[in-house]
Amino acid sequence: DVKVTQSSRYLVKRTGEKVFLECVQDMDHENMFWYRQDPGLGLRLIYFSYDVKMKEKGDIPEGYSVSREKKERFSLILESASTNQTSMYLCASSGSGPETQYFGPGTRLLVL
Amino acid sequence: TQLLEQSPQFLSIQEGENLTVYCNSSSVFSSLQWYRQEPGEGPVLLVTVVTGGEVKKLKRLTFQFGDARKDSSLHITAAQPGDTGLYLCAGRPGGTSYGKLTFGQGTILTVHP
Repeated sequence: DVKVTQSSRYLVKRTGEKVFLECVQDMDHENMFWYRQDPGLGLRLIYFSYDVKMKEKGDIPEGYSVSREKKERFSLILESASTNQTSMYLCASSGSGPETQYFGPGTRLLVL
Repeated sequence: TQLLEQSPQFLSIQEGENLTVYCNSSSVFSSLQWYRQEPGEGPVLLVTVVTGGEVKKLKRLTFQFGDARKDSSLHITAAQPGDTGLYLCAGRPGGTSYGKLTFGQGTILTVHP
């Protein structure tokens, strides 16, 4: 059974804090993605990675960075959290052929 | 960025009714997918359509890809409370690599018993 796990289901942080969101997949997938999900806006792509140490900006990368040191792990970093980064964050992975994306359960982040 | 417009944004119906959700764009997509998301979970793939005009059925759900590959629809027959959830369409723009998808805004479906 395929699995994408995210380190936390809920997080509460203060403005200015550095925040790490971790994602791990066990499917040996090449591609990994970070999205944020806000009501009425669907899923918006923040960053994605197609290989270890490779990363590409998505549609809304400002205020975020990512790290992929191992194939199975993709981290999203908020260098200095702001209240407008309060959101649901979803990680996904996909293989090199079919484009099915497998999603984690999400991390609901609240920045106070 | 190619956009996908989903409609309606909200749908509240009684058990047994039929419904259709639409996903439209001015751009061509090489394939289009429909995902369903339940509260507290990530989206899960329902279907992928690839060929213009393609129709796929999944029990009471019927998915159609437009002839020009710019739009898609999801039709549910005799909706049940278990169909309640957020439905998302996602398109793969032509020429896109690395499995990137463009998502619609989503349709929140509530089916009342």
